[in-house]
Amino acid sequence: SQQGEEDPQALSIQEGENATMNCSYKTSINNLQWYRQNSGRGLVHLILIRSNEREKHSGRLRVTLDTSKKSSSLLITASRAADTASYFCATDHTGNQFYFGTGTSLTVIP
Amino acid sequence: DAGITQSPRHKVTETGTPVTLRCHQTENHRYMYWYRQDPGHGLRLIHYSYGVKDTDKGEVSDGYSVSRSKTEDFLLTLESATSSQTSVYFCATKTGDKEKLFFGSGTQLSVL
Repeated sequence: SQQGEEDPQALSIQEGENATMNCSYKTSINNLQWYRQNSGRGLVHLILIRSNEREKHSGRLRVTLDTSKKSSSLLITASRAADTASYFCATDHTGNQFYFGTGTSLTVIP
Repeated sequence: DAGITQSPRHKVTETGTPVTLRCHQTENHRYMYWYRQDPGHGLRLIHYSYGVKDTDKGEVSDGYSVSRSKTEDFLLTLESATSSQTSVYFCATKTGDKEKLFFGSGTQLSVL
């Protein structure tokens, strides 16, 4: 399976704190993406980092990629209650097929 | 959800019956995907399509077939549903030149 794994499976933090979640994958990638899923909804794209990039920012999101370790991390700064959701990494190996991790469930306590 | 409609939203069926799930998009995206989501497994790719009548298998394709006769519609068929196919099914689309996926709202399927 090319499916990635995410760590931790669940994370609970206070509002205002930073949240960090990690993703590991098995084979070389074209890019890695992070998605968010609110309960009962479809996934929404957050950010994409290409295999030749090491770090990328978008608003309160910071993504890093270490291709030598086959891992990525997503940092959400100054978290808000509205950030409560599940977060998934997805790896693109061929340009057409996307493999998702098992997800991190984030709870931000007001 | 970016012009992607899945139907039905919920379905309960019995083991051994055929089931067809529909994904309809208004975005004219070239690629369409079917995923299933199960606790502890995240999302797993079932089948995908890279154009009308062009489809390929994903990592969990056994027991599923797909068809795409028009750009806007991608059908997922369970020929003879089993309890292990109880899941939430998501359709996703992608343009030909961008990498990000757009998702529908999902279909909750229960096979009793």
